[in-house]
Formats: sequence, structure tokens, C-alpha cells
Amino acid sequence: QKEVEQDPGPLSVPEGAIVSLNCTYSNSAFQYFMWYRQYSRKGPELLMYTYSSGNKEDGRFTAQVDKSSKYISLFIRDSQPSDSATYLCAMRTGGGNKLTFGTGTQLKVEL
Amino acid sequence: DTGVSQNPRHKITKRGQNVTFRCDPISEHNRLYWYRQTLGQGPEFLTYFQNEAQLEKSRLLSDRFSAERPKGSFSTLEIQRTEQGDSAMYLCASSLDLITTDTQYFGPGTRLTVL
Repeated sequence: QKEVEQDPGPLSVPEGAIVSLNCTYSNSAFQYFMWYRQYSRKGPELLMYTYSSGNKEDGRFTAQVDKSSKYISLFIRDSQPSDSATYLCAMRTGGGNKLTFGTGTQLKVEL
Repeated sequence: DTGVSQNPRHKITKRGQNVTFRCDPISEHNRLYWYRQTLGQGPEFLTYFQNEAQLEKSRLLSDRFSAERPKGSFSTLEIQRTEQGDSAMYLCASSLDLITTDTQYFGPGTRLTVL
């Protein structure tokens, strides 16, 4: 079993929809949680960075972390075709340096 | 552009050949990471430098792989005697070592195809 599990999709939604992306993890030592967006054949781009449990909002994006359930989410409001990409969750321990990624969820926002 | 840069962007080689990739991190960042990403998977950690010191290596980094960061600035990743299984995107990331955060910023990657 992988340390971080993420549904690979693909997920297809109409423009303007609210998108919910999720990851579960098994390592209780993870304390820092990130969401990256990756367009085809490009490097990952950081979207959200959160520490421990709680919510964080940035424009149309909201990240939630529930450490008790080992579950993190990314919500995208008013989704746009330009949001079509692969979304990767990533996490690391408090004293660690390497990121552990999920497999990524492929999202397509259709007109 | 002041982001992480990687060269070359694409490399096609024959099995058994050696290849070398270069990464230039964001100028003030003292940490540098290498990851490998295969199709349909998330990036997997390979190795990490703090300044010029290589502090951690993954078990994925076999004897055929070597990474250097000679002056604590750019880094190179060399793969000797390439195999078809080495075909992947090789990603470099950098970060600034701060107590409260250590956000890693990724470059565009080098896509390696081994024929």
C-alpha cells in the first residue's frame, strides 16, 4: 500500500462547477501538506501549502487538512477550462525534506 | 525568469549510453532536490542537497546514478549505462531553508527517452 493514495481520475466537470479533489495517507508523521498543479509535460506548480490540520483559502482554491482522518482535500470554486490539469497532493514530515506525492488526479473542465 | 531551470528539456539516448542533466535553482535557495516522474505517477524523491552537501539519497538512486552540486549552486544528475527503465521525467526543485516553511519550487523537467 502506498503512503499517499489519490484517485487518478480522470474527472470531468462543466465550467463553473465546484471541484473536490482528495488524498488519504497512512503516515501520521506527515505535518506539511501541499497541492501542486501540473500541466501536460510541464513541472509541478505549487498551489497551496498548509501546516497541520485546518483550512486555508486562496482565491478560488481552498485546502482542508483533517489529520485525525488522515485526509486532505482541495476545493476549486467556479472552475475554468484553464484549470484542466493534473493535481498532485504532496506531504512531508516535520523533520523531513523529501516530498511524498500522490499519483495525481487528472481534471478536465469543459465548456 | 528567476525560476528553476533545467537543461536539456528533452534527451533521447540509446541504451547503454551515459547522460547528464543540469539544474539551476532559484538563486538564493540553498536546498536542491531531484525527483523522477513516470507516466501516470507522482514524482518520486531521488536525492537532496543542502548547499554542496548531499544529505539524503533514495533507494531508487542506484549505483548508475550520481548527483553533484559542486559549489552549492547548480546541480548535475548523471545516469551511466542507461536502461529503458530509466525513461522518465527528471524534475529538479529548490527551496529556501526556513524554520517555518520549506516550500519546494519545481523546474520544467528533463524528459529522458532511452531507446
